[in-house]
Amino acid sequence: DIQMTQSPSSLSASVGDRVVITCRASQGIYNYLAWFQQKPGKAPKSLIYDASRLRSGVPSRFSGSGSGTDFTLTISNLQPEDFATYYCQQYTSYPYTFGQGTKLEIK
Amino acid sequence: QVQLQESGPGLVQPSETLSLSCTVSGGYIRSYYWSWIRQSPGKGLEWIGYIYYSGTTNYNPSLNSRVTISLDTSKNQFSLKLNSVTAADTAIYYCARAVNFDSWGQGTLVTVSS
Repeated sequence: DIQMTQSPSSLSASVGDRVVITCRASQGIYNYLAWFQQKPGKAPKSLIYDASRLRSGVPSRFSGSGSGTDFTLTISNLQPEDFATYYCQQYTSYPYTFGQGTKLEIK
Repeated sequence: QVQLQESGPGLVQPSETLSLSCTVSGGYIRSYYWSWIRQSPGKGLEWIGYIYYSGTTNYNPSLNSRVTISLDTSKNQFSLKLNSVTAADTAIYYCARAVNFDSWGQGTLVTVSS
């Protein structure tokens, strides 16, 4: 299985900050990486696919980059509604696997 | 806008079979891959498997021998069966569309307990 490792596991930031979350794959996954946002009691919401393609309706302050084994999710100008847990997921080989999550909290 | 909705029992006895359905509305099931994913505190998000509209399936090897995913195009539904469940199968179960999970159901908590 491809292991997905996110860092940091948790992060404190303030409204207006820029944050970067990293996801590393245990082997190359081309650009077959997605990012999700999950709020308590809710299903994950798709933000980005193919490493950098923003889903329709997702604010442009979210951006993704990377290919191969190293990927980043950047959130610029943090808004109150962005405080949540973020997950990466690879879909290049079976079984599809997720990172362990990064919890973004208000400082 | 496609919507997915899980349904099924919230409590399953140990060693029994967990059965869930996912109803797809606002879109046809006769395209895309359709997946089941679960989330438990101990193991995070775990992909269970998918079914393609053609009927092709692929399962997580960690669950392979216990899982069956099927499709009912007449009802625009797909289903999950997980047999011989234990407490470790207690989780929130989600259905989702495509290999990069662009749409998700709201999730349903299934508890395995006697």
